[in-house]
Amino acid sequence: QQQVKQSPQSLIVQKGGIPIINCAYENTAFDYFPWYQQFPGKGPALLIAIRPDVSEKKEGRFTISFNKSAKQFSLHIMDSQPGDSATYFCAARGEGGNYKLTFGKGTLLTVNP
Amino acid sequence: EAGVAQSPRYKIIEKRQSVAFWCNPISGHATLYWYQQILGQGPKLLIQFQNNGVVDDSQLPKDRFSAERLKGVDSTLKIQPAKLEDSAVYLCASSSADTQYFGPGTRLTVL
Repeated sequence: QQQVKQSPQSLIVQKGGIPIINCAYENTAFDYFPWYQQFPGKGPALLIAIRPDVSEKKEGRFTISFNKSAKQFSLHIMDSQPGDSATYFCAARGEGGNYKLTFGKGTLLTVNP
Repeated sequence: EAGVAQSPRYKIIEKRQSVAFWCNPISGHATLYWYQQILGQGPKLLIQFQNNGVVDDSQLPKDRFSAERLKGVDSTLKIQPAKLEDSAVYLCASSSADTQYFGPGTRLTVL
């Protein structure tokens, strides 16, 4: 069964800190790994995504690190701000073109001022 | 560009009642998804449509849940009869390529 394991469940940092959220997967056929950000009462929104042929991707203050051999990937948020407080989900997409995403259970991030 | 629209935003029903949710995807997006998000968990795919055909409904509880996308645009998800454990946020998403765009969801409470 396809699974994506996410940790930690919750995370509290001070403004300017660098929270790191980790995910691990089992299925080596996954071909696309997005991170979604969700604010209360809103649907998830794509933050950044990576493919397994790349070890790192950076967009603004958000960086994904990808370790294909360990089947792990992580999200780093540089210079975190109180406005980054949200729930973050990692996901993985199965092969075959049906674009089915399997989500982790989420990490509730709180950035204190 | 307008986003994914869903209605209603909130619904409270008694167990054993029926309920329906509506989704209007982003214009031109051929693929439409319905997810169930239970509090404290990630979204779980219920059903995926490509145009008006079902691509994946392996996790849809077909004894009580049904969904349709008759003209390849709007979609409706129905629960009949509802159980207490159906309390969740039901998210609709659409995509044309890699990125799935989510609507705001419908929060269902079953009493």
